[in-house]
Amino acid sequence: DAKTTQPNSMESNEEEPVHLPCNHSTISGTDYIHWYRQLPSQGPEYVIHGLTSNVNNRMASLAIAEDRKSSTLILHRATLRDAAVYYCILRLYNQGGKLIFGQGTELSVKP
Amino acid sequence: GAGVSQSPSNKVTEKGKDVELRCDPISGHTALYWYRQRLGQGLEFLIYFQGNSAPDKSGLPSDRFSAERTGESVSTLTIQRTQQEDSAVYLCASSVTGTSSYNEQFFGPGTRLTVL
Repeated sequence: DAKTTQPNSMESNEEEPVHLPCNHSTISGTDYIHWYRQLPSQGPEYVIHGLTSNVNNRMASLAIAEDRKSSTLILHRATLRDAAVYYCILRLYNQGGKLIFGQGTELSVKP
Repeated sequence: GAGVSQSPSNKVTEKGKDVELRCDPISGHTALYWYRQRLGQGLEFLIYFQGNSAPDKSGLPSDRFSAERTGESVSTLTIQRTQQEDSAVYLCASSVTGTSSYNEQFFGPGTRLTVL
């Protein structure tokens, strides 16, 4: 299975931007990059996804490197509610869309 | 409409007993997934349904685990002869379809299973 590598943990201050990196050097041309997050005691929730171009939505932005071997999830202004584990996942084109979760990055936000 | 629901929210059982966990996906979602999350760990994929068929059961850890889906709706995950290592949160997710790699998955709140 295609793998992603993320830092185990990151810290941010409230109201500041956060850049969460992800390496996926074995990505293939048809794999989508998905980000999910899991708040404490909840199921994961979808954040954003992309294929080649940078993407923006109401929650975050996704910056994808030109060679697609890395990506960065950007939270523009962190809030306390953004404290969660963030998972970067390659969604494989030919495997029914199952998500292969790594360990993720635990983001803590300081007031 | 309603999101993904799961029942029970908590289940405590004794080692060796069978348990059934239920998932009600979002109406109209043809794809349904089961995952397991042990304490402090990431999610592990268990099984994927497209309609009532399960084209990918590769994550089921042993033959004590089975799942079915009926009416392209509700799914049941059954664990026979439970062991202590089965203790985990079992999460269900659904998406519009599994045949596209960009559809997001919507997760339920999970069932916390504790095997004594």
